[in-house]
Amino acid sequence: AQKVTQAQTEISVVEKEDVTLDCVYETRDTTYYLFWYKQPPSGELVFLIRRNSFDEQNEISGRYSWNFQKSTSSFNFTITASQVVDSAVYFCALSGGRGTDKLIFGTGTRLQVFP
Amino acid sequence: NAGVTQTPKFRILKIGQSMTLQCTQDMNHNYMYWYRQDPGMGLKLIYYSVGAGITDKGEVPNGYNVSRSTTEDFPLRLELAAPSQTSVYFCASSYSERGSSPLHFGNGTRLTVT
Repeated sequence: AQKVTQAQTEISVVEKEDVTLDCVYETRDTTYYLFWYKQPPSGELVFLIRRNSFDEQNEISGRYSWNFQKSTSSFNFTITASQVVDSAVYFCALSGGRGTDKLIFGTGTRLQVFP
Repeated sequence: NAGVTQTPKFRILKIGQSMTLQCTQDMNHNYMYWYRQDPGMGLKLIYYSVGAGITDKGEVPNGYNVSRSTTEDFPLRLELAAPSQTSVYFCASSYSERGSSPLHFGNGTRLTVT
């Protein structure tokens, strides 16, 4: 069975602090995809990144970076120099490589960035 | 492009009432989904469709029905509303199979059943 665990329910930081959101996944598939989505206070869900199981390169996009480690089944998300606009709920999600596979979401981490 | 559009944004139902949540997308995506989001529980898949005329159950389909008569539209029907269906509902679409293609979400419908 596939499972995504986001152990951090809520994180509070002060602006300009770095923060890492943890994501641990379980799957027996050799081909799978990992995602991060952002849900700001306005409620919509915004796709941030996709990573496939064969690509363990870390990704950096501006202040955002992602660390994918198959050895520890983790796909962690780091925000550098956090800003108030980063306040949101962040979801990690997992899908197998087959077309019939479900996208499984973690329970989300609520990040609050205070000025 | 409007993307994925959901209506209504908010709705209050009484127990036993029925309603349809509307979802339409203008990206010509074959795959469409309905999720519900409960506090602290992440998103759970209710139903999905891989193309017009084809639908299938997700993780939590009980109490819901769907249809897919066109590529663009994927309405979700609640026949006998129950308090357990109080939730935020998201419609989503994707270009390809769920494994590799990111989902595009609508803005959600907040439903309260009292």
